[in-house]
Amino acid sequence: ETGVTQSPTHLIKTRGQQVTLRCSSQSGHNTVSWYQQALGQGPQFIFQYYREEENGRGNFPPRFSGLQFPNYSSELNVNALELDDSALYLCASRSGSTGRRYTFGSGTRLTVV
Amino acid sequence: SQQGEEDPQALSIQEGENATMNCSYKTSINNLQWYRQNSGRGLVHLILIRSNEREKHSGRLRVTLDTSKKSSSLLITASRAADTASYFCAPANFGNEKLTFGTGTRLTIIP
Repeated sequence: ETGVTQSPTHLIKTRGQQVTLRCSSQSGHNTVSWYQQALGQGPQFIFQYYREEENGRGNFPPRFSGLQFPNYSSELNVNALELDDSALYLCASRSGSTGRRYTFGSGTRLTVV
Repeated sequence: SQQGEEDPQALSIQEGENATMNCSYKTSINNLQWYRQNSGRGLVHLILIRSNEREKHSGRLRVTLDTSKKSSSLLITASRAADTASYFCAPANFGNEKLTFGTGTRLTIIP
């Protein structure tokens, strides 16, 4: 069961293009994080948003950017796609009432060719 | 940043047996969480243990935490085929609650 929905589920883009991935969190989940998971690896933290402001960022270049909206949805934008950007992208969110427990979406599988 | 390292990398056991996987981390933590990931899917929260707790149970899961050794273990008792998944630990620092993951333990339950 999940209250976090990601779209699309799969996507194929060409190197150099731009992509926008979307996440719809549960009502009240004012913290959202995005992760990149390459095949056979653990999820790597990209960035986190709290109440529409970025409040943490991992070791990813500026061409990875995000937005969080008042309706608990968020976006991950990646510019100038590279082949190594091919991965599963996961969105995770939580509210203050869930403590530190995050709810993850099922992810978007991005393939860059 | 804080990151857990899971051990072993892979584990195969017969259905019905118990599975134990371990997590080590480097600095002081506020809490540590365990997550499960079925192949190609999102992560599912299993259990959270706080730094002042030593053991916690949830159904067939038992988690221990030893802050002096900076380690945690996850025990799954009476394993089932549906437990086949990757398992990740996520230690969280004081004031920095974002989750960071290692490469996980891939658990395979053999029917």
